[in-house]
Amino acid sequence: AQTVTQSQPEMSVQEAETVTLSCTYDTSESDYYLFWYKQPPSRQMILVIRQEAYKQQNATENRFSVNFQKAAKSFSLKISDSQLGDAAMYFCAYFGNEKLTFGTGTRLTIIP
Amino acid sequence: GAVVSQHPSWVICKSGTSVKIECRSLDFQATTMFWYRQFPKQSLMLMATSNEGSKATYEQGVEKDKFLINHASLTLSTLTVTSAHPEDSSFYICSASGRPPGELFFGEGSRLTVL
Repeated sequence: AQTVTQSQPEMSVQEAETVTLSCTYDTSESDYYLFWYKQPPSRQMILVIRQEAYKQQNATENRFSVNFQKAAKSFSLKISDSQLGDAAMYFCAYFGNEKLTFGTGTRLTIIP
Repeated sequence: GAVVSQHPSWVICKSGTSVKIECRSLDFQATTMFWYRQFPKQSLMLMATSNEGSKATYEQGVEKDKFLINHASLTLSTLTVTSAHPEDSSFYICSASGRPPGELFFGEGSRLTVL
């Protein structure tokens, strides 16, 4: 079974600084997708960034980028120029074999 | 982007009653829908995978007779919590699989409180 591990229950960062959230996963599959989702207090799940496993190039979306290390099964999220609106729970997720599995989440606090 | 709508967003019921939650894909056809449960300050736990026109596939430990899932059309899946009890109180979230592959869209969630 696939597992997703987020080892940082909580993180904080000064506004305008950069923060990296860690995620590792375990799978025996070669074809899969990885995601980072943001869940604000409204609890609506918001897609932050998506990475296809077959692509070596790291995905980027404006201030958000990932460091995808397939051999190490690592998928970290870097948030640059942190903003107050980035404060939320962040979930790393693995999609493979028609199933989406979430990590335990990291609560990100932005310090003004 | 694609939209998934969940209804109701908030429901309170008495113990022993049944509650139905709807999940609709508004602008695309979703052959697969997923139902998740989220307890406070915890992650989303997959309950079942619902495919249009076939029986749902339940995760280990999820009672299929208690959490009835119906996916009668390509745009609607329903979750019915039967004979609800206070321990069933939780936040239930659905998601629908669209295109490209691996793209999932989430509903707004439904908060169930069983008295």
